[in-house]
Amino acid sequence: DTGVSQDPRHKITKRGQNVTFRCDPISEHNRLYWYRQTLGQGPEFLTYFQNEAQLEKSRLLSDRFSAERPKGSFSTLEIQRTEQGDSAMYLCASSLSGGSYEQYFGPGTRLTVT
Amino acid sequence: AQTVTQSQPEMSVQEAETVTLSCTYDTSESDYYLFWYKQPPSRQMILVIRQEAYKQQNATENRFSVNFQKAAKSFSLKISDSQLGDAAMYFCAYRSALVNNDMRFGAGTRLTVKP
Repeated sequence: DTGVSQDPRHKITKRGQNVTFRCDPISEHNRLYWYRQTLGQGPEFLTYFQNEAQLEKSRLLSDRFSAERPKGSFSTLEIQRTEQGDSAMYLCASSLSGGSYEQYFGPGTRLTVT
Repeated sequence: AQTVTQSQPEMSVQEAETVTLSCTYDTSESDYYLFWYKQPPSRQMILVIRQEAYKQQNATENRFSVNFQKAAKSFSLKISDSQLGDAAMYFCAYRSALVNNDMRFGAGTRLTVKP
C-alpha cells in the first residue's frame, strides 16, 4: 500500500470550465475527507464520506462543488464553472472510523484558475 | 465552533537546539483530540504527534513532545535536537470526539532550521 494518492497533481483551467479531481484512499480506510488549502493557511474542511455515504458538507462547499464516493473506494471532487477564487490546493485524506485515528493525507491537487 | 490559533507564522532554530511551537484552541467540549502535522515543502502532510484530551500525560514521540494544558486550552510542540529535515510547515489541529470528525487546523508555523 503506497498511501493516499491524488490525480492530477496540478491542474490549470480557464474560468468557467469544469474540473474533476480523483482521490484513492488507503484501501482499508472507510473514511475519506476533502480539504482545501490556500496559500499561507491551514487546510479547511470541505466534506467527508463514511464508506459511500457523504455525511457532512461544509458551508464552504458551494453548489458548484460536488463530491462522490460511489463504491466506498475512490472519490471524485468536481468543481463546475470554476472561479479564480477556487484556486487552491485540494487535499484528500483517509482514515479508519473514530476520532483518535490519524488522517493520512495525499499529496494534493493544485488548481490554478486563470 | 472550534477554532485553532497558531500565533507564530515563522520560527527559526539552530540545528541541534530546541524549539517550541505554540498552539491555542477554543472549544466548549471536554472530549477531543489534538494533533500536530508536518508539511514539508512540496510534500504531503504527515502526523507528528497526537494527544487525547482525557489523558493528563503529555505525548512524546522521539524528539517531539507536547505540553498540553487543558484548562488553558494550550497545546505546544517541542522539537529537541532539531535536524535539517525538521524544516517544514507545522499545523496544529483539533478534532472533536463527539460530533462529526473533521479536523480544524491552525494557520501553521513555518519552521526554518539553520545549519
